Amino acid sequence: KQEVTQIPAALSVPEGENLVLNCSFTDSAIYNLQWFRQDPGKGLTSLLLIQSSQREQTSGRLNASLDKSSGRSTLYIAASQPGDSATYLCAVLNSGNTPLVFGKGTRLSVIA
Amino acid sequence: DAGVIQSPRHEVTEMGQEVTLRCKPISGHDYLFWYRQTMMRGLELLIYFNNNVPIDDSGMPEDRFSAKMPNASFSTLKIQPSEPRDSAVYFCASSFTGTRFGTDTQYFGPGTRLTVL
Repeated sequence: KQEVTQIPAALSVPEGENLVLNCSFTDSAIYNLQWFRQDPGKGLTSLLLIQSSQREQTSGRLNASLDKSSGRSTLYIAASQPGDSATYLCAVLNSGNTPLVFGKGTRLSVIA
Repeated sequence: DAGVIQSPRHEVTEMGQEVTLRCKPISGHDYLFWYRQTMMRGLELLIYFNNNVPIDDSGMPEDRFSAKMPNASFSTLKIQPSEPRDSAVYFCASSFTGTRFGTDTQYFGPGTRLTVL
């Protein structure tokens, strides 16, 4: 059974700092991996999707990497801003159109 | 498209009452997922449908929970009778088979925050 773990559970950083969020998964036979953002009381917004054949994806100040063999992914946020404060969720898809398996998230606070 | 629509956004009810949560997936999507989010357990799948047919309901906690998808544009999740431990945020998501291989993603609704007193 696929399990997804995110470390740390919470993180507080000063504005402008670069930071890394970590995600690990137990079954490396994944289809793709996604990073989502969730603001308090809101739904989930997809940030980046990495296909199993890819090593990384970038969008603006965000860069996500994937190392399937070691069962790890990282989300790098450059030059953090207070608006980046949210919970970041990592989710794995084991095969097409099957349920996502989520980590419990990292709650990020960026202090101005 | 308006995205995935869920109603109500908030529901407060008393223990023992019946609760019905509603979801309208994105038009043209053929998969629909119901997830539940709690502080303790995070986001967990309850049930999902393909072309209105339930595929996997192993995540449904117990017989008090039931879900239906009478047509491609509507699904309900019903809890009867409700209990305080059912308090959570319930998300509906939809996806489409025809996406380019490897790029499958799910689009989430805003969720229904359920509080059972």
